[in-house]
Parts: sequence; C-alpha cells; structure tokens
Amino acid sequence: QITLKESGPTLVKPTQTLTLTCTFSGFALSTSGVGVAWIRQPPGKALEWLAVIYWNDDKRYSPSLKSRLTITKDTSKNQVVLTMTDMDPLDTATYYCTHLMHYWFYFDYWGQGTLVTVSS
Amino acid sequence: DIQMTQSPSTLSASVGDRVTITCRATQSLNSWLAWYQQEPGKAPKVLIHKASILQSGVPSRFSGSGSGTEFTLTISSLQPDDFATYYCQQYNSYPWTFGQGTRVEIK
Repeated sequence: QITLKESGPTLVKPTQTLTLTCTFSGFALSTSGVGVAWIRQPPGKALEWLAVIYWNDDKRYSPSLKSRLTITKDTSKNQVVLTMTDMDPLDTATYYCTHLMHYWFYFDYWGQGTLVTVSS
Repeated sequence: DIQMTQSPSTLSASVGDRVTITCRATQSLNSWLAWYQQEPGKAPKVLIHKASILQSGVPSRFSGSGSGTEFTLTISSLQPDDFATYYCQQYNSYPWTFGQGTRVEIK
C-alpha cells in the first residue's frame, strides 16, 4: 500500500525559504521507474506542477519556478525534500507530493497535502 | 508550455444525468492525458490515464476519449459522490500542465 505524507511549516514569512518533506511508504525511490513529484494548489485555484525527481536522480522543474526550487531525495529515509526560496504571499497554497511511474507519468498516489501560508 | 483549457468551468447537473467535460490542448498530446477528480478539502484522485484507460478501482460510469488536442471525460450517470471538481493534465512534455478545472454542482 503506497502512502505519502507532506510535512513542513504552515506559516512562512515573505523572502524566507520553505522546506517541505515528503515521507512515503509502500515503494522505494531506488526502484527503477519510480518518481516523486510536487504539485501545489492556491486556495480556490487550479493545480500547478512544481518538480519531479526520479529513481536515477533525474530532476525536472517548472520553468517558471526553476530558479527558486530544489528537489532532493534520501532513499534511506524514504523521503523527498522540496525547497523553495524567496517565498511570496502568492506562494500560499496547499502543497502535495505524489507518486508516479516513469513512462506513464501520471500521478497515481497523492499525499493529503499541507497548507503553507506566506504572511508577515 | 502546453496550455490546457477545460470547458465548461462550471456545470450544473442532476443525479442520473450524463455529463461531458472537454479539455483542449495547444499542442498534440499523443494521448498522454489524465483526468482527476477532487472533492472539497481532499487531494485529487486519478480517474483516467492515457486519455481512455480507467484507473483501477474507478467506477465504469467514468470514461475518457479523444486524441491529439481534444479530449473528453464522460460520466454516464451522475452519482451523488461525483459532485466535485475535475482536472485534466497533460504529461506529453515538460512542464506538465493542468486545466483550470470544471466544477460539477448539483442542479
């Protein structure tokens, strides 16, 4: 059974760096084909893909946010970490981590999401 | 980037109605399209992938069709659990992008 859970601060100040951790179970990020992605959703708005990391450490980022994002994995801890620098109130959103398989690329398992508010 | 446009943005329907949601892409997707359902306060759930493949465990009243740049999600007989927001998503090329969503509400 695959599960994912996001953790991190619920409130950050403008210009600060956000660090979110996705802790998962039921799969290994060392297994060929496996990926973990981050997606966010501002309140009342649509979903936005942010970044993905694969079993082979290949990483892809949304071009509009690439300069601010870093995604890393720790296979021994079954965790993926997303950092986003220079946070702005417009970054207020629910952040989700998801599982996917290379070649298929759709998001088949989702975490519950974590709401991050950016405010001074 | 590939832009995804869904129509309508909101749809009012009754239990038992047949419902169709359309998703258009600015470039051909080669069928690399997924549909998700999101209930209020919950994470999205995948319904359909590769345009027409029903995800395991999803009721058969959901179906997807289309190719190239135009796709549809059909619910053959709307059930109370189906009142939610639906998103299409392309994974033909990076950056992966979503439609703006279609809210299905009770008529």
